[in-house]
Amino acid sequence: AQSVTQLDSQVPVFEEAPVELRCNYSSSVSVYLFWYVQYPNQGLQLLLKYLSGSTLVKGINGFEAEFNKSQTSFHLRKPSVHISDTAEYFCAVRDTGFQKLVFGTGTRLLVSP
Amino acid sequence: EAGVVQSPRYKIIEKKQPVAFWCNPISGHNTLYWYLQNLGQGPELLIRYENEEAVDDSQLPKDRFSAERLKGVDSTLKIQPAELGDSAVYLCASSSGTGGRTEAFFGQGTRLTVV
Repeated sequence: AQSVTQLDSQVPVFEEAPVELRCNYSSSVSVYLFWYVQYPNQGLQLLLKYLSGSTLVKGINGFEAEFNKSQTSFHLRKPSVHISDTAEYFCAVRDTGFQKLVFGTGTRLLVSP
Repeated sequence: EAGVVQSPRYKIIEKKQPVAFWCNPISGHNTLYWYLQNLGQGPELLIRYENEEAVDDSQLPKDRFSAERLKGVDSTLKIQPAELGDSAVYLCASSSGTGGRTEAFFGQGTRLTVV
């Protein structure tokens, strides 16, 4: 069975600083990987996804993530955060043969001035 | 293009009462999901439909929860009777095609409070 671990429940950072949100997954088969963002009282919005090809994936709002198969990781990064990036971020994994999307417990990014 | 629409956005009910949530997926999306999101947690799948067929309902507590997607379009999730522990956000999502490559689009959710 697939699982996702987001080790950091909360990451505080100052505006314009870089940030990395960590995600590790467990699966015995090939996977697709996703990062979603959730703003307060909103649904989830896709930031980026890894399906195949280049291991560095660029998404919306200046975010990027790198797929590392040997370390089973898919960490999310942004070189310079804004106050508006304050939100909950969820990493998710899906086996290539199935539709079920399994989410991590989320990381709350808190950007302060 | 309209996104996934859920209603109501908020619902407060007393325990032991029934409640229903409605979801209208993006037009043309054959796959529909209902997720449960507890406070401070990631979404957990309750049920997945491919058209009108429930293909994964292993996580749905069938003693009190039920769902339907009669014409393979919109869907209803019901709880009867509701318990205090059911207080959570219920998210609906939809995607097109088959296989795992397609993105799931989420609605804004229904926040249920059971008192």
